[in-house]
Amino acid sequence: ETGVTQSPTHLIKTRGQQVTLRCSSQSGHNTVSWYQQALGQGPQFIFQYYREEENGRGNFPPRFSGLQFPNYSSELNVNALELDDSALYLCASSPGMADHRSGYTFGSGTRLTVV
Amino acid sequence: RKEVEQDPGPFNVPEGATVAFNCTYSNSASQSFFWYRQDCRKEPKLLMSVYSSGNEDGRFTAQLNRASQYISLLIRDSKLSDSATYLCAINTNAGKSTFGDGTTLTVKP
Repeated sequence: ETGVTQSPTHLIKTRGQQVTLRCSSQSGHNTVSWYQQALGQGPQFIFQYYREEENGRGNFPPRFSGLQFPNYSSELNVNALELDDSALYLCASSPGMADHRSGYTFGSGTRLTVV
Repeated sequence: RKEVEQDPGPFNVPEGATVAFNCTYSNSASQSFFWYRQDCRKEPKLLMSVYSSGNEDGRFTAQLNRASQYISLLIRDSKLSDSATYLCAINTNAGKSTFGDGTTLTVKP
């Protein structure tokens, strides 16, 4: 059973640029959630994808967008990067919305630095 | 007020001590409850789910108090390797977790 993999692991971007982060969900999991974790804080919910459809969104502006593909892998896109976007971006997969007791399996994250 | 609140600590305890963390939540419709462990600069890892009747996994005991809207994590016989940040997570809608900011534990020799 493969776990959740994220790429790249680290990234440095300039303010105003665009970035795409990628996530492969754990085998058998059809739900992917993206979180932003700033230093010293807990993960903040960005959005969730279930079977290629967005299923809920947190308090993030529209320049944060995403996709889920038929194989349940997912992308997070951020346009017009701001300095405050610097954070650890975590992808979490879970078996499905119906199984809300299962908890998440997280990838190791992408550490984004905006300069 | 945040939906999920934790005492940030840090909790500094000697090896062998018993330590307990609480996590309060504001949404009474919350359905599922979890504790995660996060090591420095790593991803959170699921430690245990929290069930209504309380549950235990080795040295770790989790409890839920729905009336007072909090969950707790008790760690007995603390080990150096227990040093980490402990995050609570609450599901208010199926599959989406809201996290606290974590409680930092340092176990000292």
